[in-house]
Amino acid sequence: DAGVIQSPRHEVTEMGQEVTLRCKPISGHDYLFWYRQTMMRGLELLIYFNNNVPIDDSGMPEDRFSAKMPNASFSTLKIQPSEPRDSAVYFCASSLGRVHSGNTIYFGEGSWLTVV
Amino acid sequence: DAKTTQPNSMESNEEEPVHLPCNHSTISGTDYIHWYRQLPSQGPEYVIHGLTSNVNNRMASLAIAEDRKSSTLILHRATLRDAAVYYCILRDPSIGNEKLTFGTGTRLTIIP
Repeated sequence: DAGVIQSPRHEVTEMGQEVTLRCKPISGHDYLFWYRQTMMRGLELLIYFNNNVPIDDSGMPEDRFSAKMPNASFSTLKIQPSEPRDSAVYFCASSLGRVHSGNTIYFGEGSWLTVV
Repeated sequence: DAKTTQPNSMESNEEEPVHLPCNHSTISGTDYIHWYRQLPSQGPEYVIHGLTSNVNNRMASLAIAEDRKSSTLILHRATLRDAAVYYCILRDPSIGNEKLTFGTGTRLTIIP
């Protein structure tokens, strides 16, 4: 299996620009997660989906962030407008079945975002 | 959320066993204990998980205390490739909540 695929791997953008991060989960996985990692705050869960439906978006920092999952094989995380404090590594992850049952989460390699 | 406590950092010599501790005194009866690790410049990867009994897989062993208030991840023979941040995580006990909340983890350094 190809694993969780994220794009772009690296992006440098100017403050105020729109940023779109993309994710293809592992085929057949019905949970998809977006995490953000910074030195100051560590790994934070932003939002997760079950069967393409957003379940918990309480970690989304503010209205500038939005996430969609139009189908089982694709999700986007959008930041509009971007700010320097959004600079971080954004990880997408997916899971087969419920995490609390012991199913594991598989992470992508991350999208490294720098906003200047 | 139930909390976990891990040492910030540990060192170990290459080819020796490593015991990474984790305290979780507020664990609930149905919480699974998950361990993930994050190699430099990579996403976290699953290591092992368990509920009550000790668990073994090709990567590591997980020893869970009888009262479940602590656990130990055991790397039987550390290699340089095992240098990573290791996270001990409890699943959020809220019904229907699938969050895995990562703490600060233990940064493991392997000495050649």
